[in-house]
Amino acid sequence: EVQLVESGGGLVQPGGSLRLSCAASGFTFSSYEMNWVRQAPGKGLEWVSYISSSGSTIYYADSVKGRFTISRDNAKNSLYLQMNSLRAEDTAVYYCARGVNYGDFDYWGQGTLVTVSS
Amino acid sequence: EIVMTQSPATLSVSPGERATLSCRASQSVSSNLAWYQQKPGQAPRLLIYGASTRATGIPARFSGSGSGTEFTLTISSLQSEDFAVYYCQQYNNWWTFGQGTKVEIK
Repeated sequence: EVQLVESGGGLVQPGGSLRLSCAASGFTFSSYEMNWVRQAPGKGLEWVSYISSSGSTIYYADSVKGRFTISRDNAKNSLYLQMNSLRAEDTAVYYCARGVNYGDFDYWGQGTLVTVSS
Repeated sequence: EIVMTQSPATLSVSPGERATLSCRASQSVSSNLAWYQQKPGQAPRLLIYGASTRATGIPARFSGSGSGTEFTLTISSLQSEDFAVYYCQQYNNWWTFGQGTKVEIK
């Protein structure tokens, strides 16, 4: 069974940093692209970042470019999102999601809540 | 950026009735479109990809159609578990989602 479990969310002050993790199991992690998607409270879904199966190709949404860094450790079956210079508008539930050939997201984690507030 | 526009924002339907949800892209996305279902407090679940292919385990009452800029998700006979928010997503050029359609009990 495919499982994605996020962790690392919490309350952080504006300008602060946080590192999210996503632990994968039930599939060959190193064979799949991964993404981070976020959802502000009561709002819709926003794609945040993409990383290829090897980690060699990375993309970011303009809203987080220069502040967030996506990475992965295939030996540990883990995906990461380093978030720096956090703003109030970054407050959201962050989901990791498995991607297929630059396409749809077929499995999602349960999400971790990041709250940016003083 | 490709903008996805869903309509209506809210759809009130009685159990057993048919529901038709629309999604329009600001430019052609070919058939690179997916539909997701999200229930309160849960992660989104993939329903349809490639505009019309049901994902693994998705009941046949869910069907998708369209190509280019106009897409439709049809739920043929609404069950109680189908009341949720539905999002379309294009993956032709980066990834963008529609704002969602809430399907509520009439």
